[in-house]
Amino acid sequence: QAVLTQPSSLSASPGASVSLTCTLRSGISVGNYGIYWYQQKSGSPPHYLLRYKSDSDKQQGSGVPSRFSGSKDASANAGILLISGLQSDDEADYYCMTWHSDAWVFGGGTQLTVL
Amino acid sequence: EVQLVESGGGLVQPGGSLRLSCAASGFSFSDSWMHWVRQAPGEGLVWVSRVKSDGSNSIYADSVKGRFSISRDNAKNTLYLQMNSLRADDTAVYYCGRAPPERGPDYWGQGTLVTVSS
Repeated sequence: QAVLTQPSSLSASPGASVSLTCTLRSGISVGNYGIYWYQQKSGSPPHYLLRYKSDSDKQQGSGVPSRFSGSKDASANAGILLISGLQSDDEADYYCMTWHSDAWVFGGGTQLTVL
Repeated sequence: EVQLVESGGGLVQPGGSLRLSCAASGFSFSDSWMHWVRQAPGEGLVWVSRVKSDGSNSIYADSVKGRFSISRDNAKNTLYLQMNSLRADDTAVYYCGRAPPERGPDYWGQGTLVTVSS
C-alpha cells in the first residue's frame, strides 16, 4: 500500500471550492507529518504551493494566493488542499509529498479539471 | 529570482551512464539542501535523491540506490546527479529542486529529459 494516496481525478466548476485529499497509509498518523502540496500544469515543472503541519506550523509558497490553503482531517488520516474561488487557470495536476522513513514520498497526484 | 537550470540529459543505451547538472542562481546555494526528482512520461513525480548543504548525508530512493550518486560544488553553485547502470525505467524528465534545511523543495528547475533505449 502506498504511503500517500490521492484520488486520480476531480472536477469542479469555476468559483467553487474544492478539497483535494492526501490519505496516509494505515498505521501512519497524519498528525505527525508536514504535508507539502505542488501544482503542475501540463508541460511545466512542479510549483510549490504550501506546507501544512498544523495551524501554528505552516508555510505558504512565495506568491501563492491565500485561496490555496492547507489543513488536515484526522478522522480520515488525510492532508487536505483547499482551493477556494476556483479559476480555469487552476486546472492542473496536484501532488502531495511528505518525509517518511528517511525518504521523501509523493502521492500519485490528482488531476483537477475546471469545468 | 531563484533560477535552477538542468542540463546533461539525452539518449543513452541500457547499462550506460550520464551525468546531469543543475546550475543555481538567485539564492544562497551553499545554505540550501538540494533534491532530484523525476517524472516518467505520463506518470507522477518520484523523489530520487537529496544532499545537504555541505555535500554530506546524501540519501536515495531504493530504486536508484547503488546506481546514482548526488553531489554538489558550492564554489560553482552546481548540483550533479551521476547515473550509472541505466535502465529503461529510468527514462524520465529529471528536475532539480532547492530546499531550506530540513524541508522539502520550494523551487524547481525546468527539467532535463533522459531517455534510456537501444
